[in-house]
Amino acid sequence: ETGVTQSPTHLIKTRGQQVTLRCSSQSGHNTVSWYQQALGQGPQFIFQYYREEENGRGNFPPRFSGLQFPNYSSELNVNALELDDSALYLCASSLMEQSYEQYFGPGTRLTVT
Amino acid sequence: RKEVEQDPGPFNVPEGATVAFNCTYSNSASQSFFWYRQDCRKEPKLLMSVYSSGNEDGRFTAQLNRASQYISLLIRDSKLSDSATYLCVVSLGGGTSYGKLTFGQGTILTVHP
Repeated sequence: ETGVTQSPTHLIKTRGQQVTLRCSSQSGHNTVSWYQQALGQGPQFIFQYYREEENGRGNFPPRFSGLQFPNYSSELNVNALELDDSALYLCASSLMEQSYEQYFGPGTRLTVT
Repeated sequence: RKEVEQDPGPFNVPEGATVAFNCTYSNSASQSFFWYRQDCRKEPKLLMSVYSSGNEDGRFTAQLNRASQYISLLIRDSKLSDSATYLCVVSLGGGTSYGKLTFGQGTILTVHP
C-alpha cells in the first residue's frame, strides 16, 4: 500500500451540484497532484499543489479548484458539475524534489447524473 | 496528435508468451519515462522507469529511443497475474511542469491459461 488515502470512495451527484474530494498524502511527502481518469482513458493531470500553492495546472476549467493544507493533505473542488465530470479522480503524493515518483491513492469514483 | 500514444490493444495471449507494448511521445523536451500498471478499478502503480540505456527487471524489459521518441515494454514468460492495463507515462520535469505526468490511453493485456 502507498499510504495515500482518498475519501469518499464513491460519490453520486447531480448535474450542477458541487463536490469536494479529499486526499491524505504519504507521510513525508510535500506535494499532491490530482488526475481525472475517464472510463477507458489514461489519467489526465488536473493540477499540483506544493507548499499550499498551485504549482502547475492541466487543461481543466476554473470550476476545478484545489487546496493544500499545512499537513500536506489536499482537496479537489468541482463546481457546476457536468455529466462529463463522471470519472475516477486520483490523487498522487510525492516529494517535490522527486516529483516524477508519484504514489497514487485508490481514487474517488464520481458519477454525475 | 496526442502527447503520448500507445498500441490500442487489447492483447490476449497465452501463459508463457512474450508480449511487447509500444508507445510514442510528441514532446522532445520530455525527460522522464515510465511504465505504470493498473489493475481493474484500482489506482496506477509504477512498474518501472525507462532509461536510454534500457533496463530490465526480471521478466520485464523497457527501452527508450529518444531520437525516435519511442518507448517499449517487453514482458517475457507471461503469467496470469500480468493481466492488467499498461500505461506509458512521460514527464517533462522542471519548472511548473515538474511532476506533471502525461499518460497514454493504456493497453489492456489479458493472459489466459
